[in-house]
Amino acid sequence: QVQLVQSGAEVKKPGASVKVSCRASGYTFTSNAIHWVRQAPGQRPEWMGWINGGNGNTKSSQKFQGRVTLTRDTSASTAYMELSSLRSEDTAVYYCAREGAPSHGPFDYWGQGTLVTVSS
Amino acid sequence: DIQMTQSPSSLSASVGDRVTITCRASQSIAIYLNWYQQKPGKAPELLISAASSLQSGVPSRFRGSGSGTDFTLTITSLQPEDFATYYCQQSYSIPLTFGPGTKVDIK
Repeated sequence: QVQLVQSGAEVKKPGASVKVSCRASGYTFTSNAIHWVRQAPGQRPEWMGWINGGNGNTKSSQKFQGRVTLTRDTSASTAYMELSSLRSEDTAVYYCAREGAPSHGPFDYWGQGTLVTVSS
Repeated sequence: DIQMTQSPSSLSASVGDRVTITCRASQSIAIYLNWYQQKPGKAPELLISAASSLQSGVPSRFRGSGSGTDFTLTITSLQPEDFATYYCQQSYSIPLTFGPGTKVDIK
């Protein structure tokens, strides 16, 4: 069965960076894109960007451009999201999600979420 | 960016009730509208994709409809496990965007 398993919770100081991993299993990693979505407390989910599992192409929301780096390691079936220059407003649960179909696909499987807390 | 709105923002209902949630996009998104259910402390789960396609394993009491800018999620007979927050999401264009959510709780 398809599973996405994320790395554990992080506490960071303002200005630092955080890198979250998302290990996929149960399907061919290179066949689907992985998206990153974050959700601040009590807020709607917010899309951050995506990486093509096959060719590694990425696209991120303009809101995060310059601060977010999406990478993947196909040998480990793992995607990574690094967010830099953290501020308190970045405190949220970060999710990875698989795109279920190429082009316009929904997020059919999600990781369990990684809580990132930014606090001095 | 495409803005998504939902109504109502919350509702109280009883087991067995028929519940309808609406979602509106700020421009046409064809049928590229997905619905998710989220329970506290959990990741969202896909219920319906492409406006009306029921995800495998999702009970048939969940129904989606609509196209263009106006969409509806209907739960035909609310069950205890359906009390949750529901989000619509457009997958028509980047940046992908979600609605603000509709919280369904027990009357």
